[in-house]
Amino acid sequence: EPEVTQTPSHQVTQMGQEVILRCVPISNHLYFYWYRQILGQKVEFLVSFYNNEISEKSEIFDDQFSVERPDGSNFTLKIRSTKLEDSAMYFCASSTFNSNQPQHFGDGTRLSIL
Amino acid sequence: GQQVMQIPQYQHVQEGEDFTTYCNSSTTLSNIQWYKQRPGGHPVFLIQLVKSGEVKKQKRLTFQFGEAKKNSSLHITATQTTDVGTYFCAGPKAAGNKLTFGGGTRVLVKP
Repeated sequence: EPEVTQTPSHQVTQMGQEVILRCVPISNHLYFYWYRQILGQKVEFLVSFYNNEISEKSEIFDDQFSVERPDGSNFTLKIRSTKLEDSAMYFCASSTFNSNQPQHFGDGTRLSIL
Repeated sequence: GQQVMQIPQYQHVQEGEDFTTYCNSSTTLSNIQWYKQRPGGHPVFLIQLVKSGEVKKQKRLTFQFGEAKKNSSLHITATQTTDVGTYFCAGPKAAGNKLTFGGGTRVLVKP
């Protein structure tokens, strides 16, 4: 069964540094998402992406965040100047069309800010 | 903004017993989706309910969508150790909008 892949599985970064989290969505999916989950808490929506542009974003997704689809397969989340509170698990997900469709999640990237 | 609440937050169940977890939204939902997250894992889609009052079953799991499309429930019968994990409900306020996740019900099974 096709799956969403994320790299790296764990990223340790100094506060203030930039990080790029990478995702390869399922190939025939059109909608892509990033979510954040702080340890033991709920899954929080960050951003959705369709047709090479952001379709919706949450209040968490401020100017330090950006997303990009640099080629036909990768979907990236960049955090420009990381803060301690950015430490969390970041999940990428994709769906065939939109939030009416089931979302398929990757295994996540655990981001640790020191 | 839209809020989705789930109760209970934790559910300790004896193996073989039944339990129900509840999901309530502050706004009417276009649809409700349920996901399961095993410890250390990622959310995995279980089911989607779209129609008011809809009931769907998956083996020992029964899902219901409320008449007002603002609440949902998941009932598990004869709980097994494989049911361990956190169950999240999630729904968009309108078709195509972002999914808002509930806080989850963490299920622990006592053998």
